[in-house]
Amino acid sequence: QVQLVQSGSELREPGASVKVSCKTSGYNFTDSPVNWVRQAPGQGLEWMGYINTKTGKAFYAQGFLGRFVFSMDTAVSTTHLHFSSLQAEDTATYYCAKDSWFDPWGQGTLVTVSS
Amino acid sequence: DIQMTQSPSAMSASVGDRVTITCRASQGIYNHLIWFQQKPGKVPKRLIYLASTLQSGVPSRFSGSGFGTEFTLTISSLQPEDFATYYCLQQMSYPYTFGQGTKLEIQ
Repeated sequence: QVQLVQSGSELREPGASVKVSCKTSGYNFTDSPVNWVRQAPGQGLEWMGYINTKTGKAFYAQGFLGRFVFSMDTAVSTTHLHFSSLQAEDTATYYCAKDSWFDPWGQGTLVTVSS
Repeated sequence: DIQMTQSPSAMSASVGDRVTITCRASQGIYNHLIWFQQKPGKVPKRLIYLASTLQSGVPSRFSGSGFGTEFTLTISSLQPEDFATYYCLQQMSYPYTFGQGTKLEIQ
């Protein structure tokens, strides 16, 4: 069955960087873009952008330009979210979700930024 | 960008009640709208897509309607497991945008 499995929780100090992975299975990886969604503690869902897994081209929502980078490794059907210069406000759960139908989702990755 | 205004932001209701949640788009999105349910600590779950198509396995007490700019999610008879937060998402054009969420609590 179609699955998206994300990497585990991360704890980073302010100013550091982190990479979150989303490994897909059960379908042709290059056929469906992958979305990234952020949810800060106690807050709503925020669409960050997506990566076109056929071309590798990424689209970022306005609030995620600059420090956030989506990448992919077609050989292992995996997309990555990399972000740098971490701030406390980046503490959140980050989700990946398959294509514009948002089904299924990864299980989420909690990134905690704290000194 | 298309703004999604969801209302109410929170509400309380009782088991058996009929509940309606509304999402309004700042411009027409045809029927490119998805409804999600999220319980605390859990992954959002897709309930309805294309504004009114029920996801397989979702109880029939959930229904969606609307086209263009006004959309509703209706729960015909609330069950204890329905107390959660609900979100709409427009996937008509980039950037995709979520509504602010509706927290449905037990009265």
